[in-house]
Amino acid sequence: DGGITQSPKYLFRKEGQNVTLSCEQNLNHDAMYWYRQDPGQGLRLIYYSQIVNDFQKGDIAEGYSVSREKKESFPLTVTSAQKNPTAFYLCASSNHGKTDTQYFGPGTRLTVL
Amino acid sequence: ILNVEQSPQSLHVQEGDSTNFTCSFPSSNFYALHWYRWETAKSPEALFVMTLNGDEKKKGRISATLNTKEGYSYLYIKGSQPEDSATYLCASRSGSARQLTFGSGTQLTVLP
Repeated sequence: DGGITQSPKYLFRKEGQNVTLSCEQNLNHDAMYWYRQDPGQGLRLIYYSQIVNDFQKGDIAEGYSVSREKKESFPLTVTSAQKNPTAFYLCASSNHGKTDTQYFGPGTRLTVL
Repeated sequence: ILNVEQSPQSLHVQEGDSTNFTCSFPSSNFYALHWYRWETAKSPEALFVMTLNGDEKKKGRISATLNTKEGYSYLYIKGSQPEDSATYLCASRSGSARQLTFGSGTQLTVLP
């Protein structure tokens, strides 16, 4: 089946540790995105990538890093510099076009203890 | 950063009621408006994308309208069913930017 997968579904880490969230898509989409959701807030864009080996900061990139070495993969690293990393993280992908409908993965809930 | 606002924040309706919610967005340099439905424990699912002023889209009992001049979109659900319970997100795209700016959503609960 075509789609986007994120792993793991739940992740627990100790404060001060870096952690990498996985996002894979087999939709052959060029663009991929990472969002963060906090209670009572909308999805906020962390990073996005329009093409392999290229990515741009979103609205809340501080404390995060990404890579885009393969078209189908866009991992997100939450570094120890991220002051409040506990959140729900969603990955999405889209094709370039006027509508740019984004297709979302199931999300990863990260809890930093 | 675009400011996309949705109202109400949450809504409870009885099965069979019709309902609607609002999404407001900056009208300058508008490019596209997206609506998504996000059911609990699932991924957000695209409902509509609208780009032209006056656009109306429909999918079953759900429809949406767009006013780009005044910067708002309405989502309507006719004859709500319990399976319509979800958070409805709107997102706006402006100018040449590739990214979407999301509102905080309207959480709909349809009571049987």
